[in-house]
Amino acid sequence: GENVEQHPSTLSVQEGDSAVIKCTYSDSASNYFPWYKQELGKGPQLIIDIRSNVGEKKDQRIAVTLNKTAKHFSLHITETQPEDSAVYFCAPGYTGTASKLTFGTGTRLQVTL
Amino acid sequence: ETGVTQSPTHLIKTRGQQVTLRCSSQSGHNTVSWYQQALGQGPQFIFQYYREEENGRGNFPPRFSGLQFPNYSSELNVNALELDDSALYLCASSGGTGGSITGELFFGEGSRLTVL
Repeated sequence: GENVEQHPSTLSVQEGDSAVIKCTYSDSASNYFPWYKQELGKGPQLIIDIRSNVGEKKDQRIAVTLNKTAKHFSLHITETQPEDSAVYFCAPGYTGTASKLTFGTGTRLQVTL
Repeated sequence: ETGVTQSPTHLIKTRGQQVTLRCSSQSGHNTVSWYQQALGQGPQFIFQYYREEENGRGNFPPRFSGLQFPNYSSELNVNALELDDSALYLCASSGGTGGSITGELFFGEGSRLTVL
C-alpha cells in the first residue's frame, strides 16, 4: 500500500510570511496529488491539486509543486492570513477503477498576527 | 446545489453494539467513499461504492460494511463495536465514472462516534 509522510507536523508563521509543507509518497502508480484543508469541526476541503503530467500549479496565493522522480510534492502558501490557520493534508492517489486517496498525517498551520 | 450531508452528527455507543451512519451525496455525484479519522490523524479509506456495489476497500475488517442506494446515498454499518472504533466518520462523494477519481472529493462534516 501507499506510505505517505508529511512534514512538518506543526508550523507556526507570522501573518504575511510564506508556509511550505512537504509530502512524500511511495506508490509510483500515484498520478493525482491533491491538498486538502480541514478546519475545526468540518470535513476536509480541496484547495489545490495537480496531476502527474504537470510540475507546478498555482492558484492565487497557493501553489503545488511535484517531483515525481523523487516522489514528493509540496504545498506553498504565500502572504499567509489568519484564516489560513487549519490542518492541511496531502492525499496522493490515482485515477482509475477502485481508486482511493491515501491521506498524510496532517500539518497544523498556525498563522499569528 | 446541495452538499454532502451526514447523520447523525454525534452518537455514543457501548462496546459490542452496532451502528449505522448515513450519507447523502452531492447532487449529480454517483460515487461515495467512506473514511475513518481518528483524533489527530488523517482520514483512512474504508471503502468506496459505485452503482450500489463496493468498488474498493481499505484495510478494515468485515464488520465494517456498507450500502449504496439507487439515489446514490449510502450507509456505513459497523458491528461489534470496539473502543478503537471511536472516530470521526467522513463520507465523500465524487462524480467520476466507473468509480474513478477524476477530480475533487466533496466531504461531509462527519459523524463523530464515541464507543464506551
